[in-house]
Amino acid sequence: EAAVTQSPRNKVAVTGGKVTLSCNQTNNHNNMYWYRQDTGHGLRLIHYSYGAGSTEKGDIPDGYKASRPSQENFSLILELATPSQTSVYFCASGDNYAEQFFGPGTRLTVL
Amino acid sequence: GDQVEQSPSALSLHEGTGSALRCNFTTTMRAVQWFRKNSRGSLINLFYLASGTKENGRLKSAFDSKERYSTLHIRDAQLEDSGTYFCAAGNSGTYQRFGTGTKLQVVP
Repeated sequence: EAAVTQSPRNKVAVTGGKVTLSCNQTNNHNNMYWYRQDTGHGLRLIHYSYGAGSTEKGDIPDGYKASRPSQENFSLILELATPSQTSVYFCASGDNYAEQFFGPGTRLTVL
Repeated sequence: GDQVEQSPSALSLHEGTGSALRCNFTTTMRAVQWFRKNSRGSLINLFYLASGTKENGRLKSAFDSKERYSTLHIRDAQLEDSGTYFCAAGNSGTYQRFGTGTKLQVVP
């Protein structure tokens, strides 16, 4: 029933390894977003997408890539994970000038 | 610079009391959204406003685009209201920026 789902929910990775975080939405929203949330910060935008095939850089894109193969799916890719990327990652979907709906978050630890 | 300034950063309320959270914006925003992050880490949508006020139970939110602020009022606070509250606002229509959050603790 949940409209925005994320997988995995928890991930432990090693420094230098590749990590892929997946997001799926059933809201039929055009826009999808990846944020990270760290203590003392609000959610910070990493990448977003206007629709299938599009990816745009957010405020903190360095070290991350994104992929939007379809309306429903949006992935965040860490090609070479670093400990500074240890965080909680949230995916969201929404349309222009409308509210965003968030997934449950993925807790990533990079050792 | 930061576009969304949220205050206070932390707040403690006794059950049954109330208070207000505030977000100030450094630029004109088209809409604001309020969330609560619960104990499980999930973000719960509370309000989305493009103008005016909205009320839902013990929560009420207001947004003044011209004066560049939004508020979230909590009345008759209950233990289950504890969590971190975030505002988020956008001026482009595509994406929004978040405040740094208000950690609310409701105590008996």
